Amino acid sequence: KAGVTQTPRYLIKTRGQQVTLSCSPISGHRSVSWYQQTPGQGLQFLFEYFSETQRNKGNFPGRFSGRQFSNSRSEMNVSTLELGDSALYLCASSSGAGNSYEQYFGPGTRLTVT
Amino acid sequence: GQNIDQPTEMTATEGAIVQINCTYQTSGFNGLFWYQQHAGEAPTFLSYNVLDGLEEKGRFSSFLSRSKGYSYLLLKELQMKDSASYLCAVRDLTAAGNKLTFGGGTRVLVKP
Repeated sequence: KAGVTQTPRYLIKTRGQQVTLSCSPISGHRSVSWYQQTPGQGLQFLFEYFSETQRNKGNFPGRFSGRQFSNSRSEMNVSTLELGDSALYLCASSSGAGNSYEQYFGPGTRLTVT
Repeated sequence: GQNIDQPTEMTATEGAIVQINCTYQTSGFNGLFWYQQHAGEAPTFLSYNVLDGLEEKGRFSSFLSRSKGYSYLLLKELQMKDSASYLCAVRDLTAAGNKLTFGGGTRVLVKP
């Protein structure tokens, strides 16, 4: 079974631009969660999508948004990029059923904002 | 909200045992997770505790005390490949699904 894939793996953007990151979960998984990881703040939860609906949301500004498609693939978008948005963005997939707990992380997208 | 504390760094010798503590304060609790993350790689799932007690999985064990808001991850027979960051995370009771709050991670350095 293929793992979680994220594209692109690396990205360099300029302040004020916007960016879209993509995540394909493990086949059959319906839950996709997004996290931001920085040296200073660690791993922080952005949001979770399940069956095309946002199920949970972290404490990030509205510039951070996401969506999920019918095939469970998910995208997250960051508008009006700031230098502080430079981070590793990780997505994680799980079956999402019941109280399932195991999340599988993708390799991440390293975003650098200049 | 959630507040999770774990030591920043620990050093141990190959073959030894290391215990990584994690304390948490939560408004709701629905399970505690441990993840391992090697430098430059994604986190990988190690263990999950939702009831009090010890869960053993090979060289790794995880303990939970909900009344004390405390967990530890025990790594036995340390190997050089165990050098990594270990992340403690708590799932929010008030949210269905997967809303995890992570601690800052404990970097473990295994020396020969």
